[in-house]
Amino acid sequence: ELQLVESGGGLIQPGGSLRLSCAASGFTVSRYYMTWVRQAPGKGLQCVSVIYSAGNTYYTDSVKGRFTVSRDNSKNTLFLQMNSLRVDDTAVYYCARGEADYYYGLDVWGQGTAVTVSS
Amino acid sequence: DIVMTQSPLSLPVTPGEPASISCRSSQSLLHKNGYNYLDWYLQKPGQPPQLLISLGSTRASGVPDRFSGSGSGTDFTLEISGVEAEDVGIYYCMQALQPPRTFGQGTKVEIK
Repeated sequence: ELQLVESGGGLIQPGGSLRLSCAASGFTVSRYYMTWVRQAPGKGLQCVSVIYSAGNTYYTDSVKGRFTVSRDNSKNTLFLQMNSLRVDDTAVYYCARGEADYYYGLDVWGQGTAVTVSS
Repeated sequence: DIVMTQSPLSLPVTPGEPASISCRSSQSLLHKNGYNYLDWYLQKPGQPPQLLISLGSTRASGVPDRFSGSGSGTDFTLEISGVEAEDVGIYYCMQALQPPRTFGQGTKVEIK
């Protein structure tokens, strides 16, 4: 079964750091486009970072220089290191799988992990 | 960034009746390979989004055939031929032509 399981969320003060994890099963993370998508309370969806199968990365402007996406192939796990957290980073963070050889959308999603940035 | 605009933002529906959601992009989503890089997702209450349609009109595995996608360039439509109670939730379009992938605001579908 294809599955993504996020962990690492929680309550953190502004300026703090968190590291989110996304453990994959049923497929190999390094072969796929993988993305982190967040959803602020009562709001829509926003792609915040991406790591392509080749290893190159992309970040939305609001998180550039603060967030770092990476993967550990031996653990088949995706990470999101979040530093200098701000109140407006509060959201549920989902990891999702995209394409490997050809495009077919974001077809596998985790259940999400909640991040609350508050003093 | 490519801006995605959905309408309506709220859609009360009667079970068994058809429903339609529009999505417009600020730039053409037609790739030189002939495909439109436009997806549709449904987020049911308390759940993560799930893929319904990719590349404008290709239903994802397991998606009922009452869901269909159409359109090209900058104008796209998701149609539900006969809404069922399990179809309630928020529908999002998403462009995948250029990074960052961007979503529409969402259309909340609820039963009348």
